[in-house]
Amino acid sequence: SQKIEQNSEALNIQEGKTATLTCNYTNYSPAYLQWYRQDPGRGPVFLLLIRENEKEKRKERLKVTFDTTLKQSLFHITASQPADSATYLCALDMKAGRRALTFGSGTRLQVQP
Amino acid sequence: GAVVSQHPSWVICKSGTSVKIECRSLDFQATTMFWYRQFPKQSLMLMATSNEGSKATYEQGVEKDKFLINHASLTLSTLTVTSAHPEDSSFYICSARAGGGAGTDTQYFGPGTRLTVL
Repeated sequence: SQKIEQNSEALNIQEGKTATLTCNYTNYSPAYLQWYRQDPGRGPVFLLLIRENEKEKRKERLKVTFDTTLKQSLFHITASQPADSATYLCALDMKAGRRALTFGSGTRLQVQP
Repeated sequence: GAVVSQHPSWVICKSGTSVKIECRSLDFQATTMFWYRQFPKQSLMLMATSNEGSKATYEQGVEKDKFLINHASLTLSTLTVTSAHPEDSSFYICSARAGGGAGTDTQYFGPGTRLTVL
């Protein structure tokens, strides 16, 4: 069966440390993988998109890796801040059909001051 | 940047009434808009895909007669929950993808609408 798995338990880290979130998928062949941030009661906010032929993408303190062999993406936030506390969602885009996104369940990140 | 708005941000209604939610792309034309639903502590689940000027495509298990979608223009899609019941209470989120050119791979989400049916 098709699955997208993210750490279901909250990730607690100290301010200034690097947060690493994992997204694993099974029986999908995404062309793109996207990461979103969602705050309570709000819609997702786009962070980064990485294509299947890209290994790594960076944007300011954010870094995403994409390993299509392992079927895994890692999302890193360096020099984390309390304001980074939120739920982070990975989403797969198969670049086929209707181009809707398929979301993981998200990982809640809590950065302690 | 691309902005998507939703209105209302929250609504409370009585069982049996209908509720309309608007989704607008403010600074780009969206050939495709998507409607998602999110229950507490769960992820977003796609309900339907709408393309401007054509009928929406619904996901399996989503009643098209209950969730009416109209994508009347390149910047506006509406979702009407007809004869709402308490089990329809949820967080409804729309997203939009620009048509053609760079940036079409990214979906931009609205802030969501909290529907509570009493």
